[in-house]
Amino acid sequence: AQSVSQHNHHVILSEAASLELGCNYSYGGTVNLFWYVQYPGQHLQLLLKYFSGDPLVKGIKGFEAEFIKSKFSFNLRKPSVQWSDTAEYFCAVLPGANNLFFGTGTRLTVIP
Amino acid sequence: KAGVTQTPRYLIKTRGQQVTLSCSPISGHRSVSWYQQTPGQGLQFLFEYFSETQRNKGNFPGRFSGRQFSNSRSEMNVSTLELGDSALYLCASSLDSGSGTDTQYFGPGTRLTVL
Repeated sequence: AQSVSQHNHHVILSEAASLELGCNYSYGGTVNLFWYVQYPGQHLQLLLKYFSGDPLVKGIKGFEAEFIKSKFSFNLRKPSVQWSDTAEYFCAVLPGANNLFFGTGTRLTVIP
Repeated sequence: KAGVTQTPRYLIKTRGQQVTLSCSPISGHRSVSWYQQTPGQGLQFLFEYFSETQRNKGNFPGRFSGRQFSNSRSEMNVSTLELGDSALYLCASSLDSGSGTDTQYFGPGTRLTVL
């Protein structure tokens, strides 16, 4: 069965620190990969996505993610976080059917 | 272009009652998926509708049902509510171009509280 693991449940960083959130999935076939963000009191928004091609994808607000097929990973990165990045981040896998499998989420708190 | 809209935004019901939630997808989007979000279980897929037909179903009991109308709007229904049904119910729509590379866009959700 498909599953998505986000190993960090809560990450606390100071502003300007670098961020890397881990995401690993288990699925043997071709997958589409996503990172969604949920800011406090707001709905889920797409941060970035990978379908094919360059494994390094860039998203909104300076975020990027790298797809490493051999490691079944799709880690999210940002070189310098801001207080406004405080949110919950969800990695998701779309293995074919229109059925997203989500990780449990990582709560990011950025301290000014 | 307007985003995905969901009504109502908040609902309070008591055990045993039933509830209907509504979702209007982004104009032109033909697929509507529903998800349940709870602190304990996270985001879980309920079902997906396309062309007024349920195309995919998650692992939820039959008390959870849905439908889609010809204009792609969708409703989900939960009968005989239980305390554990308290959750944020999210609707997502996608174009469903047939390419397998569609992105799902989420609505704000309906917060259901069962007392």
